[in-house]
Amino acid sequence: EPEVTQTPSHQVTQMGQEVILRCVPISNHLYFYWYRQILGQKVEFLVSFYNNEISEKSEIFDDQFSVERPDGSNFTLKIRSTKLEDSAMYFCASRTTGGAGNTIYFGEGSWLTVV
Amino acid sequence: DAKTTQPPSMDCAEGRAANLPCNHSTISGNEYVYWYRQIHSQGPQYIIHGLKNNETNEMASLIITEDRKSSTLILPHATLRDTAVYYCIVSPGTYKYIFGTGTRLKVLA
Repeated sequence: EPEVTQTPSHQVTQMGQEVILRCVPISNHLYFYWYRQILGQKVEFLVSFYNNEISEKSEIFDDQFSVERPDGSNFTLKIRSTKLEDSAMYFCASRTTGGAGNTIYFGEGSWLTVV
Repeated sequence: DAKTTQPPSMDCAEGRAANLPCNHSTISGNEYVYWYRQIHSQGPQYIIHGLKNNETNEMASLIITEDRKSSTLILPHATLRDTAVYYCIVSPGTYKYIFGTGTRLKVLA
C-alpha cells in the first residue's frame, strides 16, 4: 500500500538553527499538508499546498515557516530559526484530488526537539 | 475550531464492539464525516468516511443519523491493538482537516 514517508524520524537542533523536514507524498497525489502535534496536545493544521503554491495556512504558520516542492517527489517544511516552542511532532500528509470525498493520508511524523 | 464533539475517553472489553459517538450538529450538506485514529504518537491513520449512508470496510462501520447531526464509529470486535485516540472530523472541502481532542479508547483484556 502506498504511503507518505518522512525524514528524519527524529531531529535535535539548537535554538535559532534552521531545520528542514522532508516528506515524500504518495506518488499520484496533488495536495500536500503539514500538521504538527505538540506533546500531549491536538494535531494542528499548519499549511496546505497545491499546484506549487500555498492554498491555506494557519496562524501558526508565520514567517519562520516555509514550504517547498523542490522536485517532483519531495515536499519540505523549513523552520528558519527554531524556537523552543517549535518542539513537536510534524506530520506530512497528502491526498489525490480536491474533492470533499477524498481522503488525506498521513506520514509517521518527524519528531523535532529544540534545545 | 473543530466542528465535532466527542467524549474524552471510553473503555471497551476485548472482543466486544466498541461504539464511539460523535456529534456534528452544524455539519453542512456537502461535508463528509471522516474517522481517523492515532496510536501513541504515530501519524493519524484513516479508518472510514461517509456522507449520508452507512459505510463499512474491513476496519469498521460508520453509522450516520438521518439528520446527519451525529455519527457512530463501530469497531465490531475490539482488540488490544485498537487502543488509540479516535478522531471524528467533518471536512468542509478541499484543503484541510481540523482535528479535535478525540476519544481515547482503551481496550481492556
